[in-house]
Amino acid sequence: ILNVEQSPQSLHVQEGDSTNFTCSFPSSNFYALHWYRWETAKSPEALFVMTLNGDEKKKGRISATLNTKEGYSYLYIKGSQPEDSATYLCALGGSNYKLTFGKGTLLTVNP
Amino acid sequence: DAGVIQSPRHEVTEMGQEVTLRCKPISGHNSLFWYRQTMMRGLELLIYFNNNVPIDDSGMPEDRFSAKMPNASFSTLKIQPSEPRDSAVYFCASSSRGSDTEAFFGQGTRLTVV
Repeated sequence: ILNVEQSPQSLHVQEGDSTNFTCSFPSSNFYALHWYRWETAKSPEALFVMTLNGDEKKKGRISATLNTKEGYSYLYIKGSQPEDSATYLCALGGSNYKLTFGKGTLLTVNP
Repeated sequence: DAGVIQSPRHEVTEMGQEVTLRCKPISGHNSLFWYRQTMMRGLELLIYFNNNVPIDDSGMPEDRFSAKMPNASFSTLKIQPSEPRDSAVYFCASSSRGSDTEAFFGQGTRLTVV
């Protein structure tokens, strides 16, 4: 069983704050690491897919880094806005097509 | 493309009844996933297919659950007989290749078994 752990479970920040959260995963059998954004009453939408150790990806104010040797990825949000409020999921991709999700970090950005 | 299409969006059924959830993946995608979302367990992978072939169904909770993919554009998840503890949101997702490509999710089916 693959354990994909995310922390913290939930997070409240003020508008304008920068924040980050963590995804930990077993470093063996690594193939890809995904980040998804999941708004209430919608379906998860992909933010990033990373495959190489040291990968850094950026989309607007959101960025992510990957360390496959130690088995973690960070997601950063710079200058949080209320519309960033969502659950952020990470998922570990294996060579057998399987995607295993963590339980997510629920971010609430207060105006 | 309209994205991954799931039906129905909501289903309320009585315990013991058969329930069938449907999914149409994005055209050209060759991997299809069925997930169940609950408060306790988060997003659980139930089963996934590659090129219409089930690769791993170890996440299917019991024999009451079955899934098929008769062709590249259609999959079903069936629960027979349904039980109240099956109440959850069921998501279907598809991707164009292996796990190094993003998965696109449908809107989900909210199942309530009373």
